[in-house]
This record gives sequence, C-alpha cells and structure tokens, in this order.
Amino acid sequence: QSVLTQPPSVSAAPGQKVTISCSGSSSNIGNNYVSWYQLLPGTAPKLLIYDNNKRPSGIPDRFSGSKSGTSATLGITGLQTGDEADYFCGAWDSGLSVVAFGGGTKLTVL
Amino acid sequence: EVQLVESGGGLVQPGGSLRLSCAASGFTFSIFWMSWVRRAPGKGLEWVANIEGDGSKQYYVDSVKGRFTISRDNAKNSLYLQMNSLRAEDTAVYYCARVRKESGSYRDYWGQGTLVTVSS
Repeated sequence: QSVLTQPPSVSAAPGQKVTISCSGSSSNIGNNYVSWYQLLPGTAPKLLIYDNNKRPSGIPDRFSGSKSGTSATLGITGLQTGDEADYFCGAWDSGLSVVAFGGGTKLTVL
Repeated sequence: EVQLVESGGGLVQPGGSLRLSCAASGFTFSIFWMSWVRRAPGKGLEWVANIEGDGSKQYYVDSVKGRFTISRDNAKNSLYLQMNSLRAEDTAVYYCARVRKESGSYRDYWGQGTLVTVSS
C-alpha cells in the first residue's frame, strides 16, 4: 500500500492530452514539494517534474505539473507512442520521515 | 554527463547477504546526498535509504533498518548497499539515485537498476 495514491492506468490516443493524479495528505503533498518520474522498461527512471511544476533541462514542455492542496497532477500533451511508460509521483512525508512514492500509473497511448 | 551504474545484484537465498554498488561519474560526488530506491515486481517505487554527502548520516525505511547499511566511498565515487538477512519481500530492482535538496527533495539522476532476487 503506497503512501501516495495514483490511478493504476490511463490511456489516450496519440496527439491527445492526459492527466495523472496523485493524492496524498497534509504530511506529504500538502506541505512538501512533489516530483514526477517516468519509468520505461529497461531504462533508468527519468525525472520529469520537480518542485511541483518545474521541468529539468531537456524535458519538453509537453510535460507539466501542478499541485492543489493535498493532490498533484501530471499533464502530458501531444501524446506520442514513446510516452508509454509507468509514471510515479513522489514527495517527502514529514509525518513518517520517509520519501513517499505513488503506486505508479501505466500510460497506454492507443 | 552524469552517469550512475549499479552492480552486484543476483539470486540469493532467504537469510543471505548481498552488496550492491553504484559507480558515479560526471559530477562532484562528495557534495550530493545519494539514495537507494527499489521496485518490487508489479509494485511501485519504494525509497530504501539516503546518505549525506560526507557519509556522516544515513536514513532508512523501517522495513530495512537493522538489516541494510548504506555507505559511500567518496574517493572512489561509489555508493554501496550492504543487504543482510534478506527476505523474499526484498526481491526488487534496486536503483541508485542522486538527491537534490535545494528546495524540495527529489532524485534527478538514476541508474538503470540491478535486480535482486531472494528465493530458495
């Protein structure tokens, strides 16, 4: 059971937009920054978003992040088949003193 | 270019030990906290341990406290995870990752992972 809650899967057609939610509590998302990661099979996880809504250099602006209260959202526009991957949110949990991750969301680009 | 390369995974029997290594390059290793994060088959990511840049302090998830030890050798740009008393539930791909703490706490570079299988 993950500390942060994500939908197990989402899907959309190429070129469309998708959002992935991440729900937590005041001890994690509510009072700490959120980051998002992409995991492609057999490759190193990649940081997509940090500090709720900032993109590292090299990450296209098709990827965006937002936070409201105890929930965060990753948005991906202009979906490509290469975006098919597992996506994870993460945040420090001040109550548990752990780095909390979501259970992951599998994105399928139909 | 930042690179993190894990090694040392494999098949081990329950109760056994394994030592993972992570070779870092492309950045000043000694000034960054480092992490181990794992992903069990069919499960999500789980943070395992952190270590501060100078190695003076370590932090662990409760499930591995007393069994796992994170350490580093800054002269060799290397991170380690000594895993003892291994259990079936420790079976996972283990990733090393660089930690950034300027504002929020996040992991900006990750290795490709090394698979640890605990089974008889």
